[in-house]
Amino acid sequence: KAGVTQTPRYLIKTRGQQVTLSCSPISGHRSVSWYQQTPGQGLQFLFEYFSETQRNKGNFPGRFSGRQFSNSRSEMNVSTLELGDSALYLCASSAGADTQYFGPGTRLTVL
Amino acid sequence: GQQLNQSPQSMFIQEGEDVSMNCTSSSIFNTWLWYKQDPGEGPVLLIALYKAGELTSNGRLTAQFGITRKDSFLNISASIPSDVGIYFCAGQLGHSGYALNFGKGTSLLVTP
Repeated sequence: KAGVTQTPRYLIKTRGQQVTLSCSPISGHRSVSWYQQTPGQGLQFLFEYFSETQRNKGNFPGRFSGRQFSNSRSEMNVSTLELGDSALYLCASSAGADTQYFGPGTRLTVL
Repeated sequence: GQQLNQSPQSMFIQEGEDVSMNCTSSSIFNTWLWYKQDPGEGPVLLIALYKAGELTSNGRLTAQFGITRKDSFLNISASIPSDVGIYFCAGQLGHSGYALNFGKGTSLLVTP
């Protein structure tokens, strides 16, 4: 089975812009979660989608949003980018009450 | 989410030595996971633990789910240079979703 894929791998944006990141889960996995990783805060949970519905949300501002499509692919969007949004954004997929498998991440740099 | 307390923060050891790291939480979890992350890549799952008291091995790696459900440890025996990386513990409640709470990581350096 192919693993979790994320596109793009690298992205450079400027403050005030918006960005959309994409994640394709492992085939058959219906749960997709997003995490932000920074040197200061470590890995922090953003949100989780299951069958196109947001099931959990972390403690992030409303500028961070996401969605999931009927084929389980997911996108996350960050609007009005700030310098502090520079991070590695990781997507993870899960088949059920089970382990989560991570993609390689998207490295976002905000200038 | 809750941040887990992971220690040590970093380790610098010689090839062949054993390594031990642990993770504690003030809350209970139903699942404990251990991941390894290489620079520029996503975390890779090493071991998953589902029951309190469970001891699970994966090659040279052994991990245990604490009996109180608030802690876990990971041991690496006979370390080799490719063990270099950052190791993360993660706890999951799993009642209404699969959000993971992570430790800050243990950076492992192994010298030949």
